[in-house]
Amino acid sequence: DIQMTQSPSTLSASVGDRVTITCRASQTISSWLAWYQQKPGKDPNLLIYKASNLESGVPSRFSGSESGTEFTLTISSLQPDDLATYYCQQYSSFPWTFGQGTKVEIE
Amino acid sequence: QVQLQESGPGLVKPSETLSLTCSVSGGSFSSTSHYWGWIRQPPGKGLEWIGSFYYNGNTYYSPSLKSRVTVSVDRSRNQFSLSLTSVTAADTAIYYCARHSYGVGLDHWGQGTLVTVTS
Repeated sequence: DIQMTQSPSTLSASVGDRVTITCRASQTISSWLAWYQQKPGKDPNLLIYKASNLESGVPSRFSGSESGTEFTLTISSLQPDDLATYYCQQYSSFPWTFGQGTKVEIE
Repeated sequence: QVQLQESGPGLVKPSETLSLTCSVSGGSFSSTSHYWGWIRQPPGKGLEWIGSFYYNGNTYYSPSLKSRVTVSVDRSRNQFSLSLTSVTAADTAIYYCARHSYGVGLDHWGQGTLVTVTS
């Protein structure tokens, strides 16, 4: 199985801050990585697919990048609505696997 | 617009079988561009992929659950189902059904249904 190691597990930042979340794959997954946002009590919502492609309707302050087996989700200017837990997921091969999640708190 | 809706018992006894159904509207199981399947989330914890199927009938399961899981499809009703046998308290979770678009990811989710394993 491909392991996805996500960090940090929690982060606290102020409105307007630039926020970065990292996900590392245990082996190459090419660019087959997605990022999801899950707000409290809601189902997850796809933000980024194929590592760096913004899903339709997602604000442009969200972006994704990759470098080898390390993937990054960046929120360029944190907004109050971004309070949520973020997950990465690889879909390069079965079994599909998720990172442990990063809870983003607003200071 | 694709919509998915989970249904099934909210309480299951230990050692029994958990059975859930996902009703799909606006989508087709015959598309070569999609997988359909199940993900779960224990209370306060992260997401775990359970299993999925493809239009040709191929199924794929999490190795940790494979011996207990079956995902099946009823094309006439546009529904697919999850069966998880011999449940324990560790299977208590919110269960989501979802569609994976090829090359994109899980782009449509149901609202989720909480299943509690308790005697």
